[in-house]
Order: sequence, then C-alpha cells, then structure tokens
Amino acid sequence: SQKIEQNSEALNIQEGKTATLTCNYTNYSPAYLQWYRQDPGRGPVFLLLIRENEKEKRKERLKVTFDTTLKQSLFHITASQPADSATYLCALDNTGFQKLVFGTGTRLLVSP
Amino acid sequence: DGGITQSPKYLFRKEGQNVTLSCEQNLNHDAMYWYRQDPGQGLRLIYYSQIVNDFQKGDIAEGYSVSREKKESFPLTVTSAQKNPTAFYLCASTHGRMDGYTFGSGTRLTVV
Repeated sequence: SQKIEQNSEALNIQEGKTATLTCNYTNYSPAYLQWYRQDPGRGPVFLLLIRENEKEKRKERLKVTFDTTLKQSLFHITASQPADSATYLCALDNTGFQKLVFGTGTRLLVSP
Repeated sequence: DGGITQSPKYLFRKEGQNVTLSCEQNLNHDAMYWYRQDPGQGLRLIYYSQIVNDFQKGDIAEGYSVSREKKESFPLTVTSAQKNPTAFYLCASTHGRMDGYTFGSGTRLTVV
C-alpha cells in the first residue's frame, strides 16, 4: 500500500540547534515533494518544493534533501528559534494527477 | 493582498442537516482543493477541481458534494450522508503542478 511516514513523536530541540525532520514514502514515484508549516488551528503554509532530479534545495535557514533511491526527504532548520515551533508536513504529488498527498506531520518544539 | 478566504471559521451542524462551507480565492488559480484534517491522520483529499465546471472525487468524497461555477469559488457541501463530519476542513488552490498550495484558514465543523 502507499504510505507517507513522518515521525509522529514531537521533536524537542534547544534554540540555536539544527532541527532535522524525516519524511519516508512507500509505493509512490513522485516528481516532486513539498514541505509545509502548520500552526495550531491554521491552514498549512508552503515552504519549499524539491524536484526528483534535485538533491538539495535551500531557502534562508531551511534546507531540504530528496533521495529517490532511499525514498526519503530530510527537512533541516538551522539556527532554530522558538518561533519555528510548529507542525511540519511533507507532501508529494500522486504522479500526473496534480493533487498532493500529505504525511501526518511532525511537531517541532524549540525551547529557549 | 491575494489569498483564500474560508467561511465560516466555526460551524455547528445538527444531525440530518446539510451545511455548506465557503471557499473564495482571488489568486487567479485554476486548481482548487478540499481537504479534511482529523487529529493524527493528516490531510485527506475530498474533492478537487482543475478548471471551471469540472471537478473530481478525491479519496474520501462520500457524503460530500462540490460545485465550480466560477474560477474564484469552490464551495463544499457536507450532506447528511456524511456520518462523521466533525473535522477541520481546509480549502487550497494552486497555479500549477510545480507550485505550492495556498491554503485558507480553515473551517472547524462540529456535529451537535
């Protein structure tokens, strides 16, 4: 069966450290993968998109990697801040249909 | 500023009632989506539309209906056939396949 797996346990880190979140998928062949941030009671906000032929993408303190052999994406936040505390969702396209399938998200807590 | 507006923010439905959730966008996006979010289950696709007057069922369309008479609007009706409608409903739109989604702020529906 098709699955997108993100760590359901919250990730607790100290301010200033690098947070690394994992997204693994099974039985998909996505052309691209996206990451979103969601705050409680709000809609997700788009952060980054990485294509299947890109190994790495950066935006300010954010970095995403995409390994189609391992079927895994890693999402990094460097120099993390308490304001980065949120749930982070990965999503991938169900090939050719222009519709995203979402993981369940990982909650990140950054303490001062 | 461009964006997606969902209304109402909170909605209460009695047993046997149909209710309609509004979604309006001024981003000139062709594609629009409705997702449902339940705790621990991530976002699940209800319906999507890639063009005016056309829409497709998602993974959990039973008990829901939509219309797409205007590019800007994609209302969702939760019918009495939906047996477990209590959830957080999110509307999204996108310009194209390689673009991120823009989400609305959501409607929280509760059955009373």
